[in-house]
Amino acid sequence: AQSVSQHNHHVILSEAASLELGCNYSYGGTVNLFWYVQYPGQHLQLLLKYFSGDPLVKGIKGFEAEFIKSKFSFNLRKPSVQWSDTAEYFCAVNDYKLSFGAGTTVTVRA
Amino acid sequence: GAGVSQTPSNKVTEKGKYVELRCDPISGHTALYWYRQSLGQGPEFLIYFQGTGAADDSGLPNDRFFAVRPEGSVSTLKIQRTERGDSAVYLCASSPLGPANNEQFFGPGTRLTVL
Repeated sequence: AQSVSQHNHHVILSEAASLELGCNYSYGGTVNLFWYVQYPGQHLQLLLKYFSGDPLVKGIKGFEAEFIKSKFSFNLRKPSVQWSDTAEYFCAVNDYKLSFGAGTTVTVRA
Repeated sequence: GAGVSQTPSNKVTEKGKYVELRCDPISGHTALYWYRQSLGQGPEFLIYFQGTGAADDSGLPNDRFFAVRPEGSVSTLKIQRTERGDSAVYLCASSPLGPANNEQFFGPGTRLTVL
């Protein structure tokens, strides 16, 4: 079974700071990779996805992620966060069914 | 357009009771998934339907859990003899085709509390 590790449980930053959330997965074959976000009181929404092609993926709201196959990683980045980015972020891997990481809570202080 | 909807949004029940949770997927989506999210964890896969049939039910924790999708659209997750450990948010998702190369669209979830 697929295993997904998110390195940070809770990240606290100030507005305009840069954000990077780590994600590693265990499966060595072909995978589809996702980052989902859950804003307070809302349901899971897709931020970005990687299926194939350019390993640098751009998503909504200024987020991007880089797939590094040799490191089994798919880290999420945003150069300058806003207060509205406060949310829980989940990395997920799909080699048949979605396997999620435990999530990272991001708190952005105004 | 309408997204995935789930009812009820909250369900409180007593230990030992039977509950049903409903999911209405996006119209036309053939694949439907159930996940369970416990506090402080990511969603965990329970079962996947392709059309009317359960293509993979390997995530169901035990035989108290059962799900159906009789007409290939609405699905019901059924939990018998509920236990306190069943308390969680139950998420439903759908995708246009199967899970490969397809984004899954999630509903708001049903928060189940077993007293």
